[in-house]
Amino acid sequence: AQSVSQHNHHVILSEAASLELGCNYSYGGTVNLFWYVQYPGQHLQLLLKYFSGDPLVKGIKGFEAEFIKSKFSFNLRKPSVQWSDTAEYFCAVKHGNNRLAFGKGNQVVVIP
Amino acid sequence: EPEVTQTPSHQVTQMGQEVILRCVPISNHLYFYWYRQILGQKVEFLVSFYNNEISEKSEIFDDQFSVERPDGSNFTLKIRSTKLEDSAMYFCASSLQLAGVADTQYFGPGTRLTVL
Repeated sequence: AQSVSQHNHHVILSEAASLELGCNYSYGGTVNLFWYVQYPGQHLQLLLKYFSGDPLVKGIKGFEAEFIKSKFSFNLRKPSVQWSDTAEYFCAVKHGNNRLAFGKGNQVVVIP
Repeated sequence: EPEVTQTPSHQVTQMGQEVILRCVPISNHLYFYWYRQILGQKVEFLVSFYNNEISEKSEIFDDQFSVERPDGSNFTLKIRSTKLEDSAMYFCASSLQLAGVADTQYFGPGTRLTVL
């Protein structure tokens, strides 16, 4: 079945550590790719997106993601996390029409 | 910065009752969406709406659900006869969606619906 996969649903790391969250999708054809973040008590916010062009995209707050078409992946990275990065991170894929398909999310906890 | 807003933030209802969830999309946006997230599960697409009609709906969006844009600003989701399994966080989203241009959906804070 077509899907979006995120692994390591719970990630705990210390401040200044590097973060990488994996996202794999199984949709063929043209896709638009997104990472959304949900801080505690807040709504889903766009972190970054890929539509076309340079496969390495930079988002807000020092996050970046790389689209690797051959691997059907769009992994999120941040070289040095802060306590304020504690949040849930969702990968989403727009395919075909307008619907977004979401992964299950990664709950990231950064320990000061 | 313009935001999508939703009311109420929490809704508790008895099984079999009708509920209406309200959303105010970003003012110049043309496409509107509803998603839901059952506790512990993925965010799931319910329906998209454009030009006063449904443009796409998922298999979840059955006859119990309906959407409406009653005026120039509100976008509502109605569940006619709620079931226990309708308990979830419901997210509204909107996008500018110019034809042929990839776009971004902006989400509201969600309404937590609890069906007893």
